[in-house]
Amino acid sequence: QVQVQESGPGLVKPSETLSLTCTVSGYSISSGYYWGWIRQPPGKGLEWIGSIYHSGSTYYNPSLKSRVAISVDTSSNQFSLNLSSVAAADTAVYYCARSPNWGLTHKYYFDYWGQGTLVTVSS
Amino acid sequence: EIVLTQSPGTLSLSPGERATLSCRASQSVSSSYLAWYQQKPGQAPRLLIYGASTRATGIPDRFSGSGSGTDFTLTISRLEPEDFAVYHCQQYGSSPPLFTFGPGTKVDIK
Repeated sequence: QVQVQESGPGLVKPSETLSLTCTVSGYSISSGYYWGWIRQPPGKGLEWIGSIYHSGSTYYNPSLKSRVAISVDTSSNQFSLNLSSVAAADTAVYYCARSPNWGLTHKYYFDYWGQGTLVTVSS
Repeated sequence: EIVLTQSPGTLSLSPGERATLSCRASQSVSSSYLAWYQQKPGQAPRLLIYGASTRATGIPDRFSGSGSGTDFTLTISRLEPEDFAVYHCQQYGSSPPLFTFGPGTKVDIK
């Protein structure tokens, strides 16, 4: 059974870099899906941050692209998010999730999600 | 960028009633690109429908999706107590790849 689990600091200071890791179990990251990050500010809707393929190919939300970097470590079956120069508006629950290789499968959704981790930006 | 609007914002219904949720796109969207999720408080979203009308694995048949172009609908034929939640629609834009979500519809108990 596929499981994904976010980990990282729950509190980040303004202007610093938010760093989170997603650990995948029950499935090899190298087996052909995209792995993404989505966030949800308290009481608000969902926002896709970006996705990565096991080869390292990345796609980012243009609204965050200048501050986002997603990387993958296939040997550890993990992928990571770095979001730089954070501000209070970046306070949110951050989810990692799996999506099919949309270019190959023509399927465009997220099927396995982590439980989410709340990251608060505050001094 | 395509913007998704969901209506109503809140739907107050009783168990056993039919729920009809709307998702409208600011431009035409391929049906293949449209998905629906259910989210309960403190939980991650759960995939319900993809390709506008295909139920995800394990989703009961009381959930159905329909629509095309700019107007899509999620229907819950008979509300069960566990169906009271927030429902999000999501679309994919291909150039460049971009997933966007609607603001959500909350289905609560009347």
